[in-house]
Amino acid sequence: ELKVEQNPLFLSMQEGKNYTIYCNYSTTSDRLYWYRQDPGKSLESLFVLLSNGAVKQEGRLMASLDTKARLSTLHITAAVHDLSATYFCAVDMERRDDKIIFGKGTRLHILP
Amino acid sequence: KAGVTQTPRYLIKTRGQQVTLSCSPISGHRSVSWYQQTPGQGLQFLFEYFSETQRNKGNFPGRFSGRQFSNSRSEMNVSTLELGDSALYLCASSRGANEKLFFGSGTQLSVL
Repeated sequence: ELKVEQNPLFLSMQEGKNYTIYCNYSTTSDRLYWYRQDPGKSLESLFVLLSNGAVKQEGRLMASLDTKARLSTLHITAAVHDLSATYFCAVDMERRDDKIIFGKGTRLHILP
Repeated sequence: KAGVTQTPRYLIKTRGQQVTLSCSPISGHRSVSWYQQTPGQGLQFLFEYFSETQRNKGNFPGRFSGRQFSNSRSEMNVSTLELGDSALYLCASSRGANEKLFFGSGTQLSVL
């Protein structure tokens, strides 16, 4: 059974600190996505990671992909309150009918 | 440039009824995908369309169907509604494979 596991599911941290969200998946993937969702809002695409070793950065967020370990990370540097949101990873398998499997999300709360 | 537009924003139906949701993608985007979000099951992939063809379908019963028109606009239909169909339905568009998804604001469906 295909699984996408994120951890932690809840994270409360102080502004200025660094932290990493982990996304493990159980089968070969074509690509991996990271999304952000603010309460009551839709999803915002953050990163698309297409190959082993891919690293993408935008502002204080950096995502990486290790396809051999079936692991992606979302690293937050010097967190600020505006980054408080729920972050989802999603694994995309083009050759499968169920195609995209989402993690349960990491609810991030950054204390001012 | 207009974003992804979903209508209606909110919808209340009763069990047994059917519903049609609409999604207008960003101009120039040919790929449209649909997702269901519930507190219990999280985010789940419904289907994806590209150039009027369904490319993938998630693990949902046949009551869930969709289509895409020649102008890339898409509709999804749910027949014989059940209480468990209450959810936020999100539509996303992209230019094609390996591209970032842009999400609409969603349609919040409540089945009574």
